[in-house]
Order: sequence, then C-alpha cells, then structure tokens
Amino acid sequence: QKEVEQNSGPLSVPEGAIASLNCTYSDRGSQSFFWYRQYSGKSPELIMSIYSNGDKEDGRFTAQLNKASQYVSLLIRDSQPSDSATYLCAVSPFSGGYNKLIFGAGTRLAVHP
Amino acid sequence: DTEVTQTPKHLVMGMTNKKSLKCEQHMGHRAMYWYKQKAKKPPELMFVYSYEKLSINESVPSRFSPECPNSSLLNLHLHALQPEDSALYLCASSPLGLAETDTQYFGPGTRLTVL
Repeated sequence: QKEVEQNSGPLSVPEGAIASLNCTYSDRGSQSFFWYRQYSGKSPELIMSIYSNGDKEDGRFTAQLNKASQYVSLLIRDSQPSDSATYLCAVSPFSGGYNKLIFGAGTRLAVHP
Repeated sequence: DTEVTQTPKHLVMGMTNKKSLKCEQHMGHRAMYWYKQKAKKPPELMFVYSYEKLSINESVPSRFSPECPNSSLLNLHLHALQPEDSALYLCASSPLGLAETDTQYFGPGTRLTVL
C-alpha cells in the first residue's frame, strides 16, 4: 500500500476556475504536510505547508488538512495557465532529528485558456 | 533567502568515470538531503545529513558516496555508475528548527546522463 496517494491526473480545468488537488496518507503519526509545484524539467518548489487541522490560505492557494480522515488538499483559485505543472503532496512524520519526506506520485494539472 | 545551489546543472559521464555533484546553502540549515528523481516519478530520498552527520542511507548502492565537509556544503561522489542511474539529482536543506514546522527547500538539480 502506497504511503501517500494522489490522483495522477491530468486534472484539466479552464482558466479562472478552482483546481482541487487531493492527497491521502497512511501514517497516522504524520506531523507535517507540504505541497510542492514542479514544472517539467525543474525542481520542486514549495507552495504551501500545513501542520494543524483546518484551512491555511496564502494568496490564491488554500491548503486543507483533516488528520482524522488522513486527508490533505490544495485548492487553487482563479487558475492560470502558468499554474500548469505537477503538484506533489509530501508528508513527514519528523522523527530522529531529521525530516523524511514521503512524496505522492504527483497530480498533473493542466489549465487551459 | 531560501536558496540552495547545485553544480553542475548538467553532467554527462561514462560508466568508468568518477565525478562529483555539489550542493551549497547559506541559510544556516542543519539538515541536507540528496534525492534522485526519474522522469514522471516523485523524488526518492537517498541520503540525509543532520548536523553534518549521515543520519540515513536509503540502501543506496556504494557507487554513490555522500560527503558533508561542513554545514553549508554537501557533495555526492559518483563512481562506476550505470545507465539506469541517469536522473535528476536534487539537493535539499531544512532548518531543523521546530520539529512540526521543518521545511525542505530544493535546489535546481543536476541532470545526470550516464552513457
């Protein structure tokens, strides 16, 4: 069983719409949750981090965490073609003095004009 | 400033060559990481250095040899690689401050091709 699961997509949304990206994880002891954006051929770029249940908003991005359901999501409002990328969900149990990230396979988002 | 730098950007090497990848950060971060990423796959953790000591080796073959000369610098020495080792090699660092809020920042990566 995969530890962090994401729908691989592609998720296709029209420009200006809300894109909803979902992620589930298996380790109930997970402490920290991250969304990274990765353009083709580039390295992952941190979009959002969330540590507590509820919503966290940053500009057009909102991360949602539900630890009871082991579910984390990312909403992108007013989607732009420049948002087209692969979005990686990463989860960390944080133990032993280092931060081991477990990545999902990523969801490819395509925003079309 | 959350910049992690990596050199070289691209590297082509033969199976008998010895080469090194370099990673540097000047953010005072105390953990540094090497990841390998194949096309259309997520990054896979290879090594973690915590306070300049190797904390974890994810059963990586010995042809990959990490080194952390100081708190700002991380190297990955490559020797006798195989064509299947061709990938994007990513370095990351994290502050190791509050446990619950530690965040990894990635460098731009080195695109490695093994012929």
